[in-house]
Amino acid sequence: EAQVTQNPRYLITVTGKKLTVTCSQNMNHEYMSWYRQDPGLGLRQIYYSMNVEVTDKGDVPEGYKVSRKEKRNFPLILESPSPNQTSLYFCASSFRALETQYFGPGTRLLVL
Amino acid sequence: GQSLEQPSEVTAVEGAIVQINCTYQTSGFYGLSWYQQHDGGAPTFLSYNALDGLEETGRFSSFLSRSDSYGYLLLQELQMKDSASYFCAVRGLLENYGGSQGNLIFGKGTKLSVKP
Repeated sequence: EAQVTQNPRYLITVTGKKLTVTCSQNMNHEYMSWYRQDPGLGLRQIYYSMNVEVTDKGDVPEGYKVSRKEKRNFPLILESPSPNQTSLYFCASSFRALETQYFGPGTRLLVL
Repeated sequence: GQSLEQPSEVTAVEGAIVQINCTYQTSGFYGLSWYQQHDGGAPTFLSYNALDGLEETGRFSSFLSRSDSYGYLLLQELQMKDSASYFCAVRGLLENYGGSQGNLIFGKGTKLSVKP
């Protein structure tokens, strides 16, 4: 089944404890992207990747890192999480940047 | 900051037609997309307008007018299952990083409630 998977789906952590949210797609998509969704603010792009080893900042990259070492995976890294990073995170992918994006199920993160 | 404006909430009755507008202030972009998101779910793609005009997909249609800086999503024959949030999104805003195709900006979303 074609899909985008994210792990974990739910995470509670404490300020400063490094964490990684994984994202994987099995559709051989070139483009992958991370978003955060907060009430009243809609979806905001954190980072995106046009292809392997090519990543760029979105609109809210501060406090996040990403890597794209292989086509199927695009992990989101929070080196030192803070409470303002409490949010719902979505990973998405598409064959190319201008094409339909497929979203993962989301990761709900709470930073205490 | 955000360049897309949508109404925050819309209410309509089953069987009716509803139009959700999306206005923007940008000098250029590649295209306008629409996504649907049910409570607790992930966004799913509905429609994409690369060019001006109307795109129709079943009960859903989307329209874009670059000269008027305006687009809309039209939902016909509303059903209860259409109750969801709807987001417009533009790709490649010129004022964002020189208009990279990878940069996607979403509106804040319109919550549609369909009543019996």
